[in-house]
Amino acid sequence: AQSVTQLDSQVPVFEEAPVELRCNYSSSVSVYLFWYVQYPNQGLQLLLKYLSGSTLVKGINGFEAEFNKSQTSFHLRKPSVHISDTAEYFCAVWPTNFGNEKLTFGTGTRLTIIP
Amino acid sequence: DVKVTQSSRYLVKRTGEKVFLECVQDMDHENMFWYRQDPGLGLRLIYFSYDVKMKEKGDIPEGYSVSREKKERFSLILESASTNQTSMYLCASSGSLSSRYNEQFFGPGTRLTVL
Repeated sequence: AQSVTQLDSQVPVFEEAPVELRCNYSSSVSVYLFWYVQYPNQGLQLLLKYLSGSTLVKGINGFEAEFNKSQTSFHLRKPSVHISDTAEYFCAVWPTNFGNEKLTFGTGTRLTIIP
Repeated sequence: DVKVTQSSRYLVKRTGEKVFLECVQDMDHENMFWYRQDPGLGLRLIYFSYDVKMKEKGDIPEGYSVSREKKERFSLILESASTNQTSMYLCASSGSLSSRYNEQFFGPGTRLTVL
């Protein structure tokens, strides 16, 4: 079984400041890792994903994340945030074992940008 | 572009009513999912389907059923709606991990209120 922990339920950040949203996971098998974003009154859309290769993954809207296998983490970062980044962010894992197509989501982090 | 559509954005029903939530995807995806989203709890999987007429229980299937008669359509049914089923419902679809579409694509969500 897998689990995902997003320790920060809310993160307020001043505009143009950097931000890091934390994600830790546990799993008995290897996993693929995802970050999704949900803007107000919308569904989720994919920000970035780690499947293999370089542990530093770049996504849309200037976000990036780093996979750290030893710390079982996949933290999301952006060097300078904008008002438009106000949203809820979800980390998710997808087990690599064949036949298991379920994503496990964290509880989400609400990012609020302060002008 | 992959598109996942849900039949209603907002729905208000009375306790005891039978409720149908419809989801349609246009990318010939094998897998389809229904989630429930509540504040502080993130996304919880209700049911998923990996093929026509196939279904699997997720983490919180009680009080719900599903139907998948065609590959592109996945319906969530509340046999007798109750107030504790007031929530945001999100549909998603995906190909297999080995496919080009190795991520879940989400619809815009249906906000259901049960009075």
